[in-house]
Amino acid sequence: EPEVTQTPSHQVTQMGQEVILRCVPISNHLYFYWYRQILGQKVEFLVSFYNNEISEKSEIFDDQFSVERPDGSNFTLKIRSTKLEDSAMYFCASSWEAGTDTQYFGPGTRLTVL
Amino acid sequence: QKEVEQDPGPLSVPEGAIVSLNCTYSNSAFQYFMWYRQYSRKGPELLMYTYSSGNKEDGRFTAQVDKSSKYISLFIRDSQPSDSATYLCAMSDRDDKIIFGKGTRLHILP
Repeated sequence: EPEVTQTPSHQVTQMGQEVILRCVPISNHLYFYWYRQILGQKVEFLVSFYNNEISEKSEIFDDQFSVERPDGSNFTLKIRSTKLEDSAMYFCASSWEAGTDTQYFGPGTRLTVL
Repeated sequence: QKEVEQDPGPLSVPEGAIVSLNCTYSNSAFQYFMWYRQYSRKGPELLMYTYSSGNKEDGRFTAQVDKSSKYISLFIRDSQPSDSATYLCAMSDRDDKIIFGKGTRLHILP
């Protein structure tokens, strides 16, 4: 069964450093998303991406964040200058149509900012 | 008032019992209602999806939506130890952005 994959599973970084989280969505999917989950908190929407453009972004997704689909298979989330409060699980999701019932989530990347 | 409220639990029930999980919400614009299951260190997995008031059944799972009361429920019949996980309610007023509840940790005791 096709699945969304994410690398690395755990990333440790120093405050102020740039990190890139990588996702390989399901191959025929067209819509891509990033969510995050701070420990003990709810899963929060960050951004949706379609046709090489951001469709929507939340208040969390400020100028420190960016997304890119650099090739036909990867979807990345970059945090330019990490803060302690960026420590969280980051989930990538993808879907083949714009529908909340078709989003498949990856296993997540645990980001720890020291 | 938070958009989506969900009791975090933990909820412990004996194997075979009926489990009832609930969420309330405040945004009357929500049209799509979902339940996700999340195992430890895994991403959310969609269990049930509905966009109307009423009941929807899938095997041992029944999702219930009451838009007038802004209340949704998930019932699990004949609960199994493998059902032990965190259950997230989620909803949306549009096609893509999902708003999640905090999740309820469920333990099924053998």
